[in-house]
Amino acid sequence: SAVISQKPSRDICQRGTSLTIQCQVDSQVTMMFWYRQQPGQSLTLIATANQGSEATYESGFVIDKFPISRPNLTFSTLTVSNMSPEDSSIYLCSVLPGQGLNNEQFFGPGTRLTVL
Amino acid sequence: AQKVTQAQTEISVVEKEDVTLDCVYETRDTTYYLFWYKQPPSGELVFLIRRNSFDEQNEISGRYSWNFQKSTSSFNFTITASQVVDSAVYFCALSEAQDSGYALNFGKGTSLLVTP
Repeated sequence: SAVISQKPSRDICQRGTSLTIQCQVDSQVTMMFWYRQQPGQSLTLIATANQGSEATYESGFVIDKFPISRPNLTFSTLTVSNMSPEDSSIYLCSVLPGQGLNNEQFFGPGTRLTVL
Repeated sequence: AQKVTQAQTEISVVEKEDVTLDCVYETRDTTYYLFWYKQPPSGELVFLIRRNSFDEQNEISGRYSWNFQKSTSSFNFTITASQVVDSAVYFCALSEAQDSGYALNFGKGTSLLVTP
């Protein structure tokens, strides 16, 4: 299994500012993902955080808006840049510890972001 | 295109009733995984089950059971003798090796309300 922590757990930010969310895992993991959950909605994949290379973004998400770092196998950050109220969401980090599909994907507790 | 369809947006039952949550998925992969997650009002995602595409055996865990039918591309979830603590949003998700690199495609979720 994997234990995941996220910082901050919640924040209230002003529009136009940026917030960096940290995801820390207690063990080395193969894959890390960032998801967004807008109020009352499902989870949508933002990007796959690749260790040592640029993140792979899903359609509708761009690096300038959501820059991602993954300096090692246990840590990643997601920055929400130039925020607007539409960015108010829960942002969740998830990890896939092993290789392939035959593994449970673990989720962090999420970061609840409100943009005023 | 939506790969996971949860047609039921909201379900309300009285305690002790049985309830089935529907999930229909779409994939071209022969190897894939299906998941159910529970998201209580507190917001964290609770893993319930993972089932691979080669295992069509139904599974029972306490009051929970899952019916996987590849012929109809469905992976339905039944709660027997529902309890108030079952009130939550339930998400069905699909993981494919080819299209999503093991990330999860979530359905829109079914909000279950169990009243005393």
